[in-house]
This record gives sequence, C-alpha cells and structure tokens, in this order.
Amino acid sequence: DVKVTQSSRYLVKRTGEKVFLECVQDMDHENMFWYRQDPGLGLRLIYFSYDVKMKEKGDIPEGYSVSREKKERFSLILESASTNQTSMYLCASSFNWVAGENLAKNIQYFGAGTRLSVL
Amino acid sequence: TQLLEQSPQFLSIQEGENLTVYCNSSSVFSSLQWYRQEPGEGPVLLVTVVTGGEVKKLKRLTFQFGDARKDSSLHITAAQPGDTGLYLCAGVADMRFGAGTRLTVKP
Repeated sequence: DVKVTQSSRYLVKRTGEKVFLECVQDMDHENMFWYRQDPGLGLRLIYFSYDVKMKEKGDIPEGYSVSREKKERFSLILESASTNQTSMYLCASSFNWVAGENLAKNIQYFGAGTRLSVL
Repeated sequence: TQLLEQSPQFLSIQEGENLTVYCNSSSVFSSLQWYRQEPGEGPVLLVTVVTGGEVKKLKRLTFQFGDARKDSSLHITAAQPGDTGLYLCAGVADMRFGAGTRLTVKP
C-alpha cells in the first residue's frame, strides 16, 4: 500500500513562529504536493515539486516556502505564521505522469492531513 | 485558470435514497477525477474520466463525463451510511479541485 505520512495530525502555534510541516512518501514518487483545505474553498495548491530540489509555485504560495532535499520527503515551511494560515494542510504524492501515458499512473495519494491552528 | 464548481455544497439524505452531485467547469477538462474524503483522512481517488460522454461504474456509484468535457456527475444508487464523506472533483492537468459536496447518509 502507498503510504504518505504527515508528521503531525494537529499543531498549535503562535503568530510569528516558524512552522515546519513534514511529509514522507514510500512509493518512490517523483511528484509531491502541498495543499491547504478550507471550508467552501476546497483544496488549493500551495507548492509542488517534480524532483529533488525542484519546486514550483501553486495558486497560493505567499507566506510559504518548501524544501525537497530527498525524493521521499517534502517539507512545507511557514516562515512567520499568521492567523490566516490556520487551516488543514494536505500533502500528496504521485508518479510523474505525462499526457498520453497510462492514466493509472496519474493518481495523487494523500496523507491524513495536519490541522494547524495559529493563535 | 479553470474554475470548478460543485453542487450541491451539502446534501443530507436517508439510507436507501438515490442522489446525484455535479461538477462544472468554465473550460474544457482534458480529464477529470473524483475523490472521496472521509472525516479525518485525506482524499482517495475514486475514478478518472477522459473521454466525452464516458460513463464509469464503481459498484453503486456511476460517473458520467459530459459530451463537451466541461461537466461531470456522480450518481449514487441506494446510498448507505458508509458513503458519507466529502466528494471532490479535480482537473487532472492543472491539479485544481472543486470545493466539494459534503454528503451525509443517515441510517
């Protein structure tokens, strides 16, 4: 079974703190993603990475950074947490699917999420 | 930017009833996925649809992709409490998700 593990289920941090959210996958996937999920807004892509040390901005990268030093690990960093970053954060991974290839490869596997509260 | 609208936002029904939820886009999907997210868990892929007019069945769930590939529907027959969850559609090409339909099936 594919496993995507997020380091914490719940986190409570104070405004201004530096926050690290860690994600590890065990399927040798090339792609890894960070989303935040808010009621009524669905999942919004923060950053993704298609290879070690590579990163691409998603729709809402402001206030976040990422690190991918090893293939299996993708970290989301909140440099200075703010209350509007209170949310559910979801990590996902997938194979590097190319249009026209077997669609069975294009599946995102998600972790269980980290619910972050910034006070 | 492809916007995905899902309706209804919330749906609460009794066990045994049928239901349909919808996903609509402002532009054409290259392909579309449906995920289900149960409370306290991440989303899990249910199906991928690629061809306009395509129909896929997964037990009591029937997925349809519109002929013009701008909309999709999920129909559940004889809903069960185990179907409770958040149903999300997503455009495969740009990794964008709709806000979801939160379904509650009461025993």
